[in-house]
Amino acid sequence: DAGVTQSPTHLIKTRGQQVTLRCSPKSGHDTVSWYQQALGQGPQFIFQYYEEEERQRGNFPDRFSGHQFPNYSSELNVNALLLGDSALYLCASSFLFANTGELFFGEGSRLTVL
Amino acid sequence: AQTVTQSQPEMSVQEAETVTLSCTYDTSESDYYLFWYKQPPSRQMILVIRQEAYKQQNATENRFSVNFQKAAKSFSLKISDSQLGDAAMYFCAYRTSGNTPLVFGKGTRLSVIA
Repeated sequence: DAGVTQSPTHLIKTRGQQVTLRCSPKSGHDTVSWYQQALGQGPQFIFQYYEEEERQRGNFPDRFSGHQFPNYSSELNVNALLLGDSALYLCASSFLFANTGELFFGEGSRLTVL
Repeated sequence: AQTVTQSQPEMSVQEAETVTLSCTYDTSESDYYLFWYKQPPSRQMILVIRQEAYKQQNATENRFSVNFQKAAKSFSLKISDSQLGDAAMYFCAYRTSGNTPLVFGKGTRLSVIA
């Protein structure tokens, strides 16, 4: 049973560029959340997708956008990259009606902005 | 807003000994979940243990156990018989019921000394 998979694992961009990160949720999961983890910090919630719609959003600017596809996979897009966007981006999946509260995480995409 | 505080940025323990990691949280909710996640250098967040707030009994998973003090809003993790593979960042996290986002602490880096 494949867990949460993310791609790419590492990428380097320059300021002002745009980036797309991808996530496939764990089999049976219908909800995908994205988190940003700066170096030495805990993850911060960006947004959550369910039924192809953004359901909840954290305190991130509109430069951060996303999408969820009919197969539940998801993309995170960041426009006009800033140096401060350098971080590990984690995707987490869950089943909306699960009663465990648990999220399953991927290994993350490490973004470096130069 | 809910917050999670981990007051120990770094901890160390001798192999085979016991260590306790501290976590406090702030919430006005009565129904919620608490988690300890482990993040090794491979970056993937791995669930260590989960506690539902309505359960008075402390959760236990093999060598890992928690001390959940609801009134004090405290949720500490005890690792018994520490192993070299336990070395990692440990994050305390909170979420309410209803598929809300996880709120993470800043983490505690645990070193295990052979």
